[in-house]
Amino acid sequence: DIQMTQSPPSLSASVGDRVTITCRASQSIRTYLNWYQQKPGKAPKLLIYAASSLQIGVPSRFSGSGSGTDFTLTISSLQPEDFAAYYCQQSSSAPHTFGQGTKLEIK
Amino acid sequence: EVQLVQSGAEVKKPGEYLKISCKGSGHSFAGYEIAWVRQMPGKGLEWMGIIYLGDSDGRYSPSFQGQVTISGDKSTNTAYLEWRRLKASDTAMYYCATQEAGKYDALDIWGQGTMVIVSS
Repeated sequence: DIQMTQSPPSLSASVGDRVTITCRASQSIRTYLNWYQQKPGKAPKLLIYAASSLQIGVPSRFSGSGSGTDFTLTISSLQPEDFAAYYCQQSSSAPHTFGQGTKLEIK
Repeated sequence: EVQLVQSGAEVKKPGEYLKISCKGSGHSFAGYEIAWVRQMPGKGLEWMGIIYLGDSDGRYSPSFQGQVTISGDKSTNTAYLEWRRLKASDTAMYYCATQEAGKYDALDIWGQGTMVIVSS
């Protein structure tokens, strides 16, 4: 299985901050990397697919980059509704493993 | 509107049988792949496996192979997740989601989740 290592596990930030979450794959996954947001008690929501393609309806303050083994999710200016958990997932090779998650909290 | 609607929460005893469902509406899902994802209490997401509703052939993560059965019925746009003998460690929230080939197999549309509690 491909291992996905996400960092940091948790992050405290303020409204308006720029935040970056990283995800590293144990082998090359080209650009088969997806990002999800999950709020408490809710199902995950797809934010970005194919490393950098923004899902329809997702605000443009979210962006993704990377290829091969190293990827980032950036939120350019945090809004109150962005405080949630974020997960990366590789879909290059089954099983399509997730990172451990990053919990983004209000400072 | 395309959506997935999952069956309701379940409370079972160890050793019991359970089958939960995920029904698609608003579109024909015969050409879709439906994935199942586990989230244990307070933990992260785990990809369990997938079913192509067109041929009802389940494929599994090695971690879940032999532990669950994934099946589907294209005539009713429904995917299923089944346990023959539940264990306490199966207590979790289970989500289904469409795996969208046009989006690099990202999980696009999600069900609301089914909470399974296994306790004696």
